[in-house]
Amino acid sequence: KNEVEQSPQNLTAQEGEFITINCSYSVGISALHWLQQHPGGGIVSLFMLSSGKKKHGRLIATINIQEKHSSLHITASHPRDSAVYICAVILVGSNYKLTFGKGTLLTVNP
Amino acid sequence: EAQVTQNPRYLITVTGKKLTVTCSQNMNHEYMSWYRQDPGLGLRQIYYSMNVEVTDKGDVPEGYKVSRKEKRNFPLILESPSPNQTSLYFCASSWTGATGELFFGEGSRLTVL
Repeated sequence: KNEVEQSPQNLTAQEGEFITINCSYSVGISALHWLQQHPGGGIVSLFMLSSGKKKHGRLIATINIQEKHSSLHITASHPRDSAVYICAVILVGSNYKLTFGKGTLLTVNP
Repeated sequence: EAQVTQNPRYLITVTGKKLTVTCSQNMNHEYMSWYRQDPGLGLRQIYYSMNVEVTDKGDVPEGYKVSRKEKRNFPLILESPSPNQTSLYFCASSWTGATGELFFGEGSRLTVL
Protein backbone atom coordinates (compact mmCIF):
# COMPACT_ATOMS: atom_id res chain seq x y z
CA LYS A 1 0.00 0.00 0.00
CA ASN A 2 1.29 3.43 -0.92
CA GLU A 3 2.15 5.76 1.90
CA VAL A 4 0.34 8.54 0.01
CA GLU A 5 -3.05 7.91 -1.58
CA GLN A 6 -4.92 10.36 -3.77
CA SER A 7 -8.55 10.24 -4.74
CA PRO A 8 -10.08 10.25 -7.18
CA GLN A 9 -7.53 9.05 -9.73
CA ASN A 10 -9.51 10.69 -12.53
CA LEU A 11 -12.04 13.48 -12.35
CA THR A 12 -14.11 15.05 -15.10
CA ALA A 13 -16.05 18.25 -14.41
CA GLN A 14 -18.00 20.89 -16.24
CA GLU A 15 -16.72 24.43 -16.34
CA GLY A 16 -17.80 26.33 -13.24
CA GLU A 17 -18.05 23.32 -10.94
CA PHE A 18 -16.44 23.14 -7.50
CA ILE A 19 -13.66 20.53 -7.46
CA THR A 20 -12.19 18.61 -4.53
CA ILE A 21 -9.12 16.39 -4.72
CA ASN A 22 -8.11 14.41 -1.66
CA CYS A 23 -4.77 13.21 -0.31
CA SER A 24 -4.41 10.75 2.57
CA TYR A 25 -1.18 9.48 4.05
CA SER A 26 -0.34 6.73 6.47
CA VAL A 27 2.87 8.09 8.00
CA GLY A 28 3.81 11.03 10.16
CA ILE A 29 4.59 14.09 8.12
CA SER A 30 5.84 17.57 8.80
CA ALA A 31 4.41 19.21 5.69
CA LEU A 32 2.73 18.55 2.37
CA HIS A 33 2.95 19.98 -1.14
CA TRP A 34 0.32 20.28 -3.81
CA LEU A 35 1.77 20.33 -7.32
CA GLN A 36 0.23 20.88 -10.76
CA GLN A 37 1.40 19.27 -13.98
CA HIS A 38 -0.17 20.22 -17.30
CA PRO A 39 -0.18 17.59 -20.08
CA GLY A 40 3.26 17.43 -21.63
CA GLY A 41 4.39 20.19 -19.34
CA GLY A 42 6.49 20.82 -16.34
CA ILE A 43 5.53 20.81 -12.68
CA VAL A 44 4.48 23.87 -10.73
CA SER A 45 4.26 24.17 -6.97
CA LEU A 46 0.81 25.33 -5.83
CA PHE A 47 1.00 25.13 -2.05
CA MET A 48 3.16 23.94 0.81
CA LEU A 49 1.17 23.32 4.00
CA SER A 50 2.03 22.25 7.49
CA SER A 51 -1.28 23.21 9.12
CA GLY A 52 -4.60 24.90 8.47
CA LYS A 53 -5.57 26.38 5.16
CA LYS A 54 -4.06 28.38 2.31
CA LYS A 55 -5.77 30.21 -0.54
CA HIS A 56 -4.45 31.49 -3.83
CA GLY A 57 -6.97 32.82 -6.29
CA ARG A 58 -9.52 30.07 -6.98
CA LEU A 59 -7.41 27.41 -5.28
CA ILE A 60 -7.75 26.45 -1.63
CA ALA A 61 -5.70 23.83 0.19
CA THR A 62 -6.40 22.45 3.64
CA ILE A 63 -4.59 20.00 5.84
CA ASN A 64 -5.33 18.14 9.05
CA ILE A 65 -2.02 16.67 10.19
CA GLN A 66 -3.59 14.56 12.96
CA GLU A 67 -6.21 13.04 10.65
CA LYS A 68 -3.53 12.49 7.98
CA HIS A 69 -5.58 14.18 5.27
CA SER A 70 -5.33 17.13 2.91
CA SER A 71 -7.69 18.49 0.28
CA LEU A 72 -7.23 20.74 -2.72
CA HIS A 73 -10.31 22.67 -3.81
CA ILE A 74 -10.83 24.56 -7.04
CA THR A 75 -13.72 27.00 -7.16
CA ALA A 76 -15.38 28.01 -10.44
CA SER A 77 -13.31 25.50 -12.40
CA HIS A 78 -12.11 26.40 -15.89
CA PRO A 79 -10.78 24.28 -18.78
CA ARG A 80 -7.30 25.71 -18.14
CA ASP A 81 -7.40 23.95 -14.74
CA SER A 82 -7.19 20.63 -16.61
CA ALA A 83 -3.99 19.02 -15.36
CA VAL A 84 -2.61 16.33 -13.07
CA TYR A 85 -2.59 17.39 -9.43
CA ILE A 86 0.01 15.71 -7.26
CA CYS A 87 0.27 15.53 -3.50
CA ALA A 88 3.74 15.09 -1.96
CA VAL A 89 4.60 14.68 1.72
CA ILE A 90 7.69 15.39 3.78
CA LEU A 91 8.16 12.64 6.32
CA VAL A 92 8.82 13.55 9.94
CA GLY A 93 12.54 13.44 10.63
CA SER A 94 13.64 14.38 7.13
CA ASN A 95 13.38 17.84 5.64
CA TYR A 96 14.84 16.64 2.39
CA LYS A 97 12.89 13.62 1.17
CA LEU A 98 9.59 13.76 -0.67
CA THR A 99 7.10 10.93 -1.09
CA PHE A 100 4.52 11.44 -3.83
CA GLY A 101 0.98 10.37 -4.52
CA LYS A 102 0.28 9.06 -7.99
CA GLY A 103 -1.69 12.10 -8.99
CA THR A 104 -5.26 13.00 -9.93
CA LEU A 105 -6.03 13.73 -13.58
CA LEU A 106 -8.57 16.55 -13.76
CA THR A 107 -10.38 17.35 -16.98
CA VAL A 108 -12.64 20.39 -17.06
CA ASN A 109 -14.95 20.53 -20.05
CA PRO A 110 -16.30 23.83 -21.42
CA GLU B 1 13.98 35.29 -14.43
CA ALA B 2 14.12 32.63 -11.71
CA GLN B 3 14.45 29.26 -13.32
CA VAL B 4 15.71 25.71 -13.20
CA THR B 5 17.20 24.59 -16.50
CA GLN B 6 17.64 20.99 -17.54
CA ASN B 7 19.51 19.65 -20.55
CA PRO B 8 18.95 17.77 -22.70
CA ARG B 9 15.15 17.95 -22.85
CA TYR B 10 14.95 14.86 -25.01
CA LEU B 11 17.49 12.10 -25.51
CA ILE B 12 17.50 8.68 -27.11
CA THR B 13 20.53 6.60 -26.30
CA VAL B 14 21.67 2.99 -26.19
CA THR B 15 22.35 0.64 -23.32
CA GLY B 16 25.70 1.23 -21.66
CA LYS B 17 26.53 4.61 -23.16
CA LYS B 18 27.29 6.98 -20.30
CA LEU B 19 25.24 10.13 -20.20
CA THR B 20 24.77 13.18 -18.03
CA VAL B 21 21.63 15.23 -17.55
CA THR B 22 22.50 18.70 -16.36
CA CYS B 23 20.47 20.83 -13.96
CA SER B 24 21.22 24.45 -13.21
CA GLN B 25 19.37 26.99 -11.05
CA ASN B 26 19.87 30.76 -10.85
CA MET B 27 18.19 31.38 -7.47
CA ASN B 28 21.12 30.54 -5.16
CA HIS B 29 19.07 27.70 -3.69
CA GLU B 30 20.79 25.35 -1.25
CA TYR B 31 18.55 22.34 -1.91
CA MET B 32 18.41 20.50 -5.22
CA SER B 33 16.87 17.16 -6.05
CA TRP B 34 16.27 14.72 -8.89
CA TYR B 35 13.07 12.75 -9.57
CA ARG B 36 11.89 10.30 -12.14
CA GLN B 37 8.30 9.99 -13.30
CA ASP B 38 6.92 6.74 -14.70
CA PRO B 39 3.36 5.81 -15.73
CA GLY B 40 1.56 4.09 -12.90
CA LEU B 41 4.34 4.80 -10.43
CA GLY B 42 4.26 8.58 -10.30
CA LEU B 43 7.20 10.66 -9.16
CA ARG B 44 10.01 9.11 -7.15
CA GLN B 45 13.04 10.80 -5.66
CA ILE B 46 16.45 9.66 -6.94
CA TYR B 47 18.99 11.83 -5.12
CA TYR B 48 19.03 15.12 -3.31
CA SER B 49 21.61 17.65 -2.16
CA MET B 50 21.37 19.86 0.89
CA ASN B 51 24.31 22.04 -0.14
CA VAL B 52 27.60 21.99 -2.00
CA GLU B 53 29.38 18.65 -1.57
CA VAL B 54 26.45 17.23 0.47
CA THR B 55 24.28 14.65 -1.27
CA ASP B 56 22.12 11.72 -0.20
CA LYS B 57 20.05 8.94 -1.70
CA GLY B 58 16.35 9.15 -2.32
CA ASP B 59 14.07 6.17 -2.88
CA VAL B 60 15.45 4.94 -6.22
CA PRO B 61 19.18 5.75 -6.43
CA GLU B 62 20.36 2.53 -8.11
CA GLY B 63 22.10 3.13 -11.42
CA TYR B 64 22.53 6.87 -10.86
CA LYS B 65 25.24 9.15 -9.55
CA VAL B 66 25.20 12.83 -8.69
CA SER B 67 27.65 15.52 -7.75
CA ARG B 68 27.30 19.01 -6.29
CA LYS B 69 30.55 20.86 -6.83
CA GLU B 70 28.91 24.27 -7.19
CA LYS B 71 25.72 25.59 -5.69
CA ARG B 72 23.97 26.24 -9.00
CA ASN B 73 24.59 22.86 -10.68
CA PHE B 74 23.44 19.34 -9.82
CA PRO B 75 24.08 16.93 -12.69
CA LEU B 76 22.56 13.44 -12.84
CA ILE B 77 24.94 10.82 -14.21
CA LEU B 78 23.93 7.49 -15.70
CA GLU B 79 27.21 5.56 -15.93
CA SER B 80 25.77 2.60 -17.81
CA PRO B 81 22.16 3.29 -18.77
CA SER B 82 19.72 0.42 -19.07
CA PRO B 83 16.22 0.30 -20.62
CA ASN B 84 14.60 0.41 -17.16
CA GLN B 85 15.99 3.93 -16.81
CA THR B 86 13.78 5.09 -19.66
CA SER B 87 11.75 7.76 -17.92
CA LEU B 88 10.87 11.44 -17.56
CA TYR B 89 13.32 13.15 -15.24
CA PHE B 90 12.79 16.32 -13.25
CA CYS B 91 15.20 18.44 -11.29
CA ALA B 92 13.95 20.79 -8.56
CA SER B 93 15.42 23.31 -6.15
CA SER B 94 14.35 25.31 -3.12
CA TRP B 95 15.78 27.59 -0.44
CA THR B 96 15.12 25.35 2.51
CA GLY B 97 14.97 21.68 1.73
CA ALA B 98 11.74 19.93 0.80
CA THR B 99 9.76 22.21 3.12
CA GLY B 100 10.39 25.24 0.94
CA GLU B 101 8.65 26.24 -2.26
CA LEU B 102 9.91 23.90 -4.96
CA PHE B 103 10.96 25.13 -8.39
CA PHE B 104 11.02 22.42 -11.05
CA GLY B 105 12.85 22.19 -14.32
CA GLU B 106 10.90 21.45 -17.50
CA GLY B 107 11.82 17.79 -17.51
CA SER B 108 14.14 15.56 -19.55
CA ARG B 109 12.65 12.66 -21.46
CA LEU B 110 15.19 9.87 -21.70
CA THR B 111 14.83 6.73 -23.79
CA VAL B 112 17.38 3.95 -23.44
CA LEU B 113 17.27 1.35 -26.22
